[in-house]
Amino acid sequence: GENVEQHPSTLSVQEGDSAVIKCTYSDSASNYFPWYKQELGKRPQLIIDIRSNVGEKKDQRIAVTLNKTAKHFSLHITETQPEDSAVYFCAASIKGGSYIPTFGRGTSLIVHP
Amino acid sequence: DADVTQTPRNRITKTGKRIMLECSQTKGHDRMYWYRQDPGLGLRLIYYSFDVKDINKGEISDGYSVSRQAQAKFSLSLESAIPNQTALYFCATSDVKGKVNEQFFGPGTRLTVL
Repeated sequence: GENVEQHPSTLSVQEGDSAVIKCTYSDSASNYFPWYKQELGKRPQLIIDIRSNVGEKKDQRIAVTLNKTAKHFSLHITETQPEDSAVYFCAASIKGGSYIPTFGRGTSLIVHP
Repeated sequence: DADVTQTPRNRITKTGKRIMLECSQTKGHDRMYWYRQDPGLGLRLIYYSFDVKDINKGEISDGYSVSRQAQAKFSLSLESAIPNQTALYFCATSDVKGKVNEQFFGPGTRLTVL
């Protein structure tokens, strides 16, 4: 089955800095890559996703890039703010797996004011 | 607003007890899932169901069972709880459109097994 590795497990930045979280996947058939944000005590929620036919997608201060050849994808957050502090999960899914996501272990992002 | 709800939100029980966690949704989605979250281990799939007559094991189904009572209800049971089942449990729903399978999570149930 699919295996998703996520790094780093913890990331600490100063407000205004950029943050990058990286994930790798094992199954070259994976074709959908969502990112979920989980604030403290809250449920995970989708913040951005990318399909395999696209190399980059942006939504205001967040962006996701995908390198299919290397089988890795990354989340980029620019001009970080304290409210960006949360746990972020990447995931990968394939049609053959009924698009059920396999999640990474999560990255705890801490943005210091 | 359409939502996913879970009961109870918190539960403390003892080793060997039978526990049921319940999930209801008003989103009208066919697919429902149970995940377990442990610190540093991410979200791991326990069971999933694509409709009322469909039940499938996930990666960590041992020690758990489920029941899909209706399209809107999916319950998770621990027949004989053990301490290493202490975790945060999430129910989720989805409705696959194209290749997108966005998971809509419930608020979670924090289970402690003593």
